[in-house]
Amino acid sequence: GAGVSQTPSNKVTEKGKYVELRCDPISGHTALYWYRQSLGQGPEFLIYFQGTGAADDSGLPNDRFFAVRPEGSVSTLKIQRTERGDSAVYLCASSLTPGLAVNEQFFGPGTRLTVL
Amino acid sequence: AQSVTQLDSQVPVFEEAPVELRCNYSSSVSVYLFWYVQYPNQGLQLLLKYLSGSTLVKGINGFEAEFNKSQTSFHLRKPSVHISDTAEYFCAVSPVGGGATNKLIFGTGTLLAVQP
Repeated sequence: GAGVSQTPSNKVTEKGKYVELRCDPISGHTALYWYRQSLGQGPEFLIYFQGTGAADDSGLPNDRFFAVRPEGSVSTLKIQRTERGDSAVYLCASSLTPGLAVNEQFFGPGTRLTVL
Repeated sequence: AQSVTQLDSQVPVFEEAPVELRCNYSSSVSVYLFWYVQYPNQGLQLLLKYLSGSTLVKGINGFEAEFNKSQTSFHLRKPSVHISDTAEYFCAVSPVGGGATNKLIFGTGTLLAVQP
């Protein structure tokens, strides 16, 4: 079946603008994660959804970042008043409900955000 | 809190030679351990994982890793590499029982460059 998809693949914006990044998880996966990968770094956890609710948003860097998953499937990461330091690849991953077992997270190809 | 250290940012190796990519971690609680591979312009793909049991874990594409609790290491090995193994490799941990979030904490990655 289809994997995790992310749109757009590339986004160039100007400092101060608002952007939305979209993630379509694998069908049936109730857990959804957002990570941010800056140049030369490993992915950094941002937020985790279990169903529609954000179960862990401890990785969001500040209140300019917000994410939603209104129907428990597609998720949107929203960044307000973008700054040049927000430039990175934003990765989305999904998995089956973690429960007591650790389920594999399947990653999308990412959205490369460039803030000029 | 957890942290992951991949000391080697790049490992050059000739085709058919063995390779070891090093990973050390720090954590005050027990962790699950993972290796992910990222091929150019593709999403992260799980190579292998250690949850419990035998400390030697075998993964896809002929890779294996050994968990050493006393040295807090999880080094990745392959006895004979191919050109197609050229990619970025990330070590990651996830705290056991971490509120069932299963968020991943990644190292900075090691670029495996296989030369003919």
